[in-house]
Amino acid sequence: NAGVTQTPKFQVLKTGQSMTLQCAQDMNHNSMYWYRQDPGMGLRLIYYSASEGTTDKGEVPNGYNVSRLNKREFSLRLESAAPSQTSVYFCASSRLAGGIYEQYFGPGTRLTVT
Amino acid sequence: GESVGLHLPTLSVQEGDNSIINCAYSNSASDYFIWYKQESGKGPQFIIDIRSNMDKRQGQRVTVLLNKTVKHLSLQIAATQPGDSAVYFCAAGGGADGLTFGKGTHLIIQP
Repeated sequence: NAGVTQTPKFQVLKTGQSMTLQCAQDMNHNSMYWYRQDPGMGLRLIYYSASEGTTDKGEVPNGYNVSRLNKREFSLRLESAAPSQTSVYFCASSRLAGGIYEQYFGPGTRLTVT
Repeated sequence: GESVGLHLPTLSVQEGDNSIINCAYSNSASDYFIWYKQESGKGPQFIIDIRSNMDKRQGQRVTVLLNKTVKHLSLQIAATQPGDSAVYFCAAGGGADGLTFGKGTHLIIQP
């Protein structure tokens, strides 16, 4: 049981390039999330997918798109990368336990945009 | 909107002592709160959660206390060990639409 996996682990992009961050979970969770974490900050929600077939914007969605490919996979796309998108990106999935959506996180993708 | 904050960015404790990490929140409608531990270079790791209708919840060496009157929660770690060194985040949630995180407290363990 690998939990939440993310690829790639590291990426360097030039301004204007595009890329897709991949995320997969093997816990049969319905909900999945993408967050970004900047230095000295907590995580901020970019997009989430409450269930397969649905996606919704979070706190900081500008410059990103997402695709919930199936129940296991949730990808994040940067169409035209900007230096402000330099960050660590975390994917998470959640299970409902006792009325709480407990979120479990992947190891992160460290993205630098030059 | 919701904001979640921690009182201290850094907390230094002696190995073997108890640690108390504090957090304040703004939205009294939050249904639950979760504490996460993040070690350097890793993703946040789930520690313990508490529903808004509870005052206290205990886990293995950890206790979370919730005071809804002053919108404050704390994480207590008993007999702190070197492996407890990490950044600790509190987060507030209300459904499947994601969590609001605080900025984190860096717990430093001194020998």
